[in-house]
Amino acid sequence: KNEVEQSPQNLTAQEGEFITINCSYSVGISALHWLQQHPGGGIVSLFMLSSGKKKHGRLIATINIQEKHSSLHITASHPRDSAVYICAVKETSGSRLTFGEGTQLTVNP
Amino acid sequence: DSGVTQTPKHLITATGQRVTLRCSPRSGDLSVYWYQQSLDQGLQFLIQYYNGEERAKGNILERFSAQQFPDLHSELNLSSLELGDSALYFCASSQSGKGYGYTFGSGTRLTVV
Repeated sequence: KNEVEQSPQNLTAQEGEFITINCSYSVGISALHWLQQHPGGGIVSLFMLSSGKKKHGRLIATINIQEKHSSLHITASHPRDSAVYICAVKETSGSRLTFGEGTQLTVNP
Repeated sequence: DSGVTQTPKHLITATGQRVTLRCSPRSGDLSVYWYQQSLDQGLQFLIQYYNGEERAKGNILERFSAQQFPDLHSELNLSSLELGDSALYFCASSQSGKGYGYTFGSGTRLTVV
């Protein structure tokens, strides 16, 4: 079992739809990251969370430390949101990140 | 531009060869992390340096080595390359060595033929 699991693996949506990507982890963490990777490879850090909720534009990230679960929401999705979204955790001990396998999101016009 | 610079962007080389990947961290960041992203393994942590010293080691092969120089740039050396080493290699930096506030570079795509 992976320490970080994401669902779904693939997600196709129509423009304007509300999207949720889930991340569950099994280790103690001090922070959780949501990353975005576009075709061509570059990785962008969207959020770093240690508790509660963060919002940036149409993106919202939440984390429930007790349940070891985080969600990334995209409101009013747009084709330019099409990318791979990766959940990564920083374990309580250590500084490196452990990654989920990613969710491939495709938003159709 | 994230502020983390990786060169080269693309590299094609033959099996058995040696290559060096370079990373310049964001200004002010002391810590550099190297990650490998392959199709079958996803993103894997390789190694971390903090202010010139090795801080943590992950799934890094003995054929691979890294260092961080006094100007804080880092190099990842890959030798005796195999087809399976073909991957995207990412560098990330953070201000502290504790793993908060990551900034990723755009990666080096290595193809071993």
